[in-house]
Amino acid sequence: AAGVIQSPRHLIKEKRETATLKCYPIPRHDTVYWYQQGPGQDPQFLISFYEKMQSDKGSIPDRFSAQQFSDYHSELNMSSLELGDSALYFCASSSRLTGAYEKLFFGSGTQLSVL
Amino acid sequence: KQEVTQIPAALSVPEGENLVLNCSFTDSAIYNLQWFRQDPGKGLTSLLLIQSSQREQTSGRLNASLDKSSGRSTLYIAASQPGDSATYLCAVGGGGNKLTFGTGTQLKVEL
Repeated sequence: AAGVIQSPRHLIKEKRETATLKCYPIPRHDTVYWYQQGPGQDPQFLISFYEKMQSDKGSIPDRFSAQQFSDYHSELNMSSLELGDSALYFCASSSRLTGAYEKLFFGSGTQLSVL
Repeated sequence: KQEVTQIPAALSVPEGENLVLNCSFTDSAIYNLQWFRQDPGKGLTSLLLIQSSQREQTSGRLNASLDKSSGRSTLYIAASQPGDSATYLCAVGGGGNKLTFGTGTQLKVEL
């Protein structure tokens, strides 16, 4: 079965650079979520999208932006990177159509290292 | 603000033992509670989802209970196996399907 696909798996950037993380949800899933997990920490909710519209916002810095495209894939854009942005970034998807909306399927994550 | 705590932070058991992982949360106004498994370098795998109106859910050797009024959940793993070694995360579901995660219990099942 198809799962949530994230790219790239690993990303190394310098301070003040920009990064773009991509997420491809499970086919026919209409909702995408982004989470950030720092070293030794629990995942923190950043932002979510439903049907290409932002549906909720968590602790996402102003330097970050995200969007969901017409094919339902989502991109997380991160600018002016700081050392503290080094983390594992997860994308998850769910579907409001299947009646299992609350069951989130997570991707393998993108490990971002800021040097 | 919802806070989720998991005890113990780490656990090492011999193969075959039954074990219990604990999760507590501060705000009982939840939509659901989920248990995830996280393997190193991999994503989160959903194990069990308990709706706020339910008391427990079972899947194979796993059983999760929920006591919303006391803000507690437990994950029971029967007859543990080395393949169960992973970090187990408890997550409380709030409005907008946002999850608040605990810091996890790192489980090691030894031969």
